[in-house]
Amino acid sequence: AIQMTQSPSSLSASVGDRVTITCRASQGIRNELGWYQQKPGKAPKLLIYGASSLQSGVSSRFSGSGSGTDFTLTISSLQPEDFATYYCLQDYNYPRTFGQGTKVEIK
Amino acid sequence: EVQLVESGGGLVQPGGSLRLSCAASGFSFRNYWMTWVRQAPGKGLEWVANIKFDGTEKYYADSVKGRFTISRDNADNSVYLQLSSLRAEDTAFYFCARDESPGNIFTGYYDALDFWGRGTMVTVSS
Repeated sequence: AIQMTQSPSSLSASVGDRVTITCRASQGIRNELGWYQQKPGKAPKLLIYGASSLQSGVSSRFSGSGSGTDFTLTISSLQPEDFATYYCLQDYNYPRTFGQGTKVEIK
Repeated sequence: EVQLVESGGGLVQPGGSLRLSCAASGFSFRNYWMTWVRQAPGKGLEWVANIKFDGTEKYYADSVKGRFTISRDNADNSVYLQLSSLRAEDTAFYFCARDESPGNIFTGYYDALDFWGRGTMVTVSS
């Protein structure tokens, strides 16, 4: 199975900060990657699919980039509602695999 | 309004079985792949299984292959997950999700789990 490694595991940031989360695949996965946001006690929410396509209804401060093995989720200006845990998910092959998550906390 | 409602969770002994259900409404269920994802308490997300819109293709995580079975009933707008030979490490919240599968024959189709249920808790303990 493809391993997805996210970094950092957690970060502290302030409202208004630019935040970058990375996800590395153990082999090339083209652009077949999604990003999800999860808040405590809630189901995950789709942010990005196809590495860079913004899901309908999601704020444009979220963006995704990358191809092959290295991917990035960027939050251009962190808002209070963005404090959450973020996961990448590869859909290049089966079994699908998530990264271990990145928790974004308030500084 | 799209809704997904899971049910069937509970406390089960190691080695036991359980059947989870996910009732869908508000969309044309027969046109969508469906996915199960789980999350152990305080841990990250784990992809479990998915099933094609017509039920002809099914895929599983290595950790559940041979023990879990995904199925669907398009007449009933429901997807199921049969859990067998349960272990303590299967203790988790189980979510079902709709896969929008955006894309086309030129770009290929992506997974996009765009709607999720609230989950049902499975606890495996003696």
